[in-house]
Amino acid sequence: DTGVSQNPRHKITKRGQNVTFRCDPISEHNRLYWYRQTLGQGPEFLTYFQNEAQLEKSRLLSDRFSAERPKGSFSTLEIQRTEQGDSAMYLCASSPRTSGRETQYFGPGTRLLVL
Amino acid sequence: GESVGLHLPTLSVQEGDNSIINCAYSNSASDYFIWYKQESGKGPQFIIDIRSNMDKRQGQRVTVLLNKTVKHLSLQIAATQPGDSAVYFCAEAAQKLVFGQGTRLTINP
Repeated sequence: DTGVSQNPRHKITKRGQNVTFRCDPISEHNRLYWYRQTLGQGPEFLTYFQNEAQLEKSRLLSDRFSAERPKGSFSTLEIQRTEQGDSAMYLCASSPRTSGRETQYFGPGTRLLVL
Repeated sequence: GESVGLHLPTLSVQEGDNSIINCAYSNSASDYFIWYKQESGKGPQFIIDIRSNMDKRQGQRVTVLLNKTVKHLSLQIAATQPGDSAVYFCAEAAQKLVFGQGTRLTINP
């Protein structure tokens, strides 16, 4: 399977704990995106990378959130001191070009539940 | 600011009928749109896209229409099947995707 992969698929944690999610994009895709989706809503943009450079961050990405793409391949999204409001599906997507106006292909998501 | 909205949160159709899902956008400068299908517990799946230099684009059983005058686009699914049951999102695509809330399509046997 050469699609976008995400791990873990599900994560249950207690409030105050740190969590880290991983995304492996489609091979050789330059751009990698993180979105958050809550129940009944469409995905909301969090941040994106072009290769290893983080080019834009949404105001939704508070100081407790940090994303990295150290070698321009896989990416990690870390949430520190989790809160119940962080419970959501975290989606990763990738696209092959640098124009920005290209189709984004999504992974299966990581569903986070903060107790 | 950016805004993409869908006209109806739910749509119920008979199996075999055609489905039409509508979407409105507010940014007249938007020039690229994508329709995604999302099944329960899965990530959004690309269906079809359209750029602003086109009014219509067809895929397998799906057609997207774009009316730039009224800033409206629609997704038409022909001969709807049970496997088409999902939430459908239109997204305005620039450096990032801006999604509407989605329309849940339910197929009645």
